[in-house]
Amino acid sequence: AQSVTQLGSHVSVSEGALVLLRCNYSSSVPPYLFWYVQYPNQGLQLLLKYTSAATLVKGINGFEAEFKKSETSFHLTKPSAHMSDAAEYFCAVTRGAQKLVFGQGTRLTINP
Amino acid sequence: GAGVSQSPRYKVAKRGQDVALRCDPISGHVSLFWYQQALGQGPEFLTYFQNEAQLDKSGLPSDRFFAERPEGSVSTLKIQRTQQEDSAVYLCARMIAGALSSEVLWASEQYFGPGTRLTVT
Repeated sequence: AQSVTQLGSHVSVSEGALVLLRCNYSSSVPPYLFWYVQYPNQGLQLLLKYTSAATLVKGINGFEAEFKKSETSFHLTKPSAHMSDAAEYFCAVTRGAQKLVFGQGTRLTINP
Repeated sequence: GAGVSQSPRYKVAKRGQDVALRCDPISGHVSLFWYQQALGQGPEFLTYFQNEAQLDKSGLPSDRFFAERPEGSVSTLKIQRTQQEDSAVYLCARMIAGALSSEVLWASEQYFGPGTRLTVT
């Protein structure tokens, strides 16, 4: 069975600082990995996805993530946080069965 | 937007009542998913349609939950005899149809609607 673990339910950074949200996956087959963002009272918005084409994936809003098979990780980063980045972030995995398996989420707070 | 509308956006039901939640994706996108998101949790898969066929309903928590998509477009998630533990946000997602290869199809992303927040009192 596939699973995703997001380390840290709550991350707080200062505006302009590096954002690092951690995601580790478990999968018996090569996974497809996604990061979604959720703003209050809204649905999930796709940030980026890994599909084996390249290990470093660039997404929207300046976010990127690196797939590291040896570490079974897919951490999300952004060099400089903006106040508008405050939201809940979810890592998800699928192996082609098409249903997404989500992590518990990480709430990102940006301090002015 | 994501091309998925859901209604109602908010629903309050008394315990024991039946509710029906609607999802309307952009026509032409053949795959539709339902997820349940409890407060403070990640979404959890409920069921999946390809056109009108329900291919996977392994995530439905009990036989009180029923989903249908009779014409392969609009879908309805019905919950009978609601319980307090059914309180959650119910998310609907469409998956882009079509692919350059079978591998790309497997990796097709899902686009989510705004959700319906169900509160059972």
